[in-house]
Amino acid sequence: DTEVTQTPKHLVMGMTNKKSLKCEQHMGHRAMYWYKQKAKKPPELMFVYSYEKLSINESVPSRFSPECPNSSLLNLHLHALQPEDSALYLCASSLSGTGSYEQYFGPGTRLTVT
Amino acid sequence: QKEVEQDPGPLSVPEGAIVSLNCTYSNSAFQYFMWYRQYSRKGPELLMYTYSSGNKEDGRFTAQVDKSSKYISLFIRDSQPSDSATYLCAMSADLSGTYKYIFGTGTRLKVLA
Repeated sequence: DTEVTQTPKHLVMGMTNKKSLKCEQHMGHRAMYWYKQKAKKPPELMFVYSYEKLSINESVPSRFSPECPNSSLLNLHLHALQPEDSALYLCASSLSGTGSYEQYFGPGTRLTVT
Repeated sequence: QKEVEQDPGPLSVPEGAIVSLNCTYSNSAFQYFMWYRQYSRKGPELLMYTYSSGNKEDGRFTAQVDKSSKYISLFIRDSQPSDSATYLCAMSADLSGTYKYIFGTGTRLKVLA
């Protein structure tokens, strides 16, 4: 299995909702990443988990809450989002911990906040 | 000044042409240089990476890094319509325990049949 999977593919949520994005990989990778990508912009790093510990939090608002239940799973919990948070949310993984150059991306979850 | 600069294009070329895509950067601490391809509504796919200066070839793709000029390139030979996508350069550095992984804005490429 050489892929990163993300669910759901699309999500529409109101500003008062609570929802979660899920990411899974079975490649034995030890680092997992969340990125946010707006239209025609590059991915922006949000969080990095290295060996199941949060190692990087790029000053992301607290309405985004990451969780790494085990080495294969990564969640992003969403609460009280704003319309400007609408974007493609990408998950990635890499073989070794933080600092790996080679990242494998999932297809993303397209989030719309109404 | 942005840390990584990349011409957004779009760049249109005829099928079979040689394509040259480029990025410049300002932080000399970057150590790894990557090229990703992203099709519309998909996640980025790693094409190639290089460490430090030099060339690396993989099939129709060649990556070049010139650290003295802070300039990296990706060449695509015999371009095909299936190469039409956005190409993102990326760079990484570990700065005294602080990890950086920065993408360029991406260049949209269209290969015309």
